Amino acid sequence: EAAVTQSPRNKVAVTGGKVTLSCNQTNNHNNMYWYRQDTGHGLRLIHYSYGAGSTEKGDIPDGYKASRPSQENFSLILELATPSQTSVYFCASGARGSGNTLYFGEGSRLIVV
Amino acid sequence: QQQVRQSPQSLTVWEGETAILNCSYEDSTFNYFPWYQQFPGEGPALLISIRSVSDKKEDGRFTIFFNKREKKLSLHITDSQPGDSATYFCAASIASSSFSKLVFGQGTSLSVVP
Repeated sequence: EAAVTQSPRNKVAVTGGKVTLSCNQTNNHNNMYWYRQDTGHGLRLIHYSYGAGSTEKGDIPDGYKASRPSQENFSLILELATPSQTSVYFCASGARGSGNTLYFGEGSRLIVV
Repeated sequence: QQQVRQSPQSLTVWEGETAILNCSYEDSTFNYFPWYQQFPGEGPALLISIRSVSDKKEDGRFTIFFNKREKKLSLHITDSQPGDSATYFCAASIASSSFSKLVFGQGTSLSVVP
């Protein structure tokens, strides 16, 4: 069974503060992704990675950075958090290639006050 | 710009009825269309998928109908059960040899009433 674990599961941050969301996968997948989920928008891709050391911008990267220090770990970094970044964030992993299943974590709920 | 659109936003059906969830897309290069199911408090999970070379895919009570010419697809859930109550996301993939970048629709929230 594919396993993607996110931490923290819930976070309250202050405006202007730094937030790091972490993701770990034990599937040995090359590809990892960060999405945010908002009502009316579905899931939108923030950053993704082909493998350790690589990060690529997704469809809504502004205000976010990503880091992939190893095959297993992929972090999403909000250097200066804003209330508009209040959302639920999902990490996912997938095997190399098109048309492969994405395995999602359980999500990290972030509230920026 | 919403490349993948779903309708309706929410749907309520009685137990035993067929639920029909609709999806349309804009980019003709999309060739892989998965549907993900999400229960409250959980991440989405793959339910069923279809490739553009097919016009129908069945898996038990779940069937995808695909119309390439009209760029439309639909998910039919027959004999709906209360346990099917969830949010369903239609997604589309841009063909790539090494990377699967999924574009998701807004989701349809399905409620099945006993």
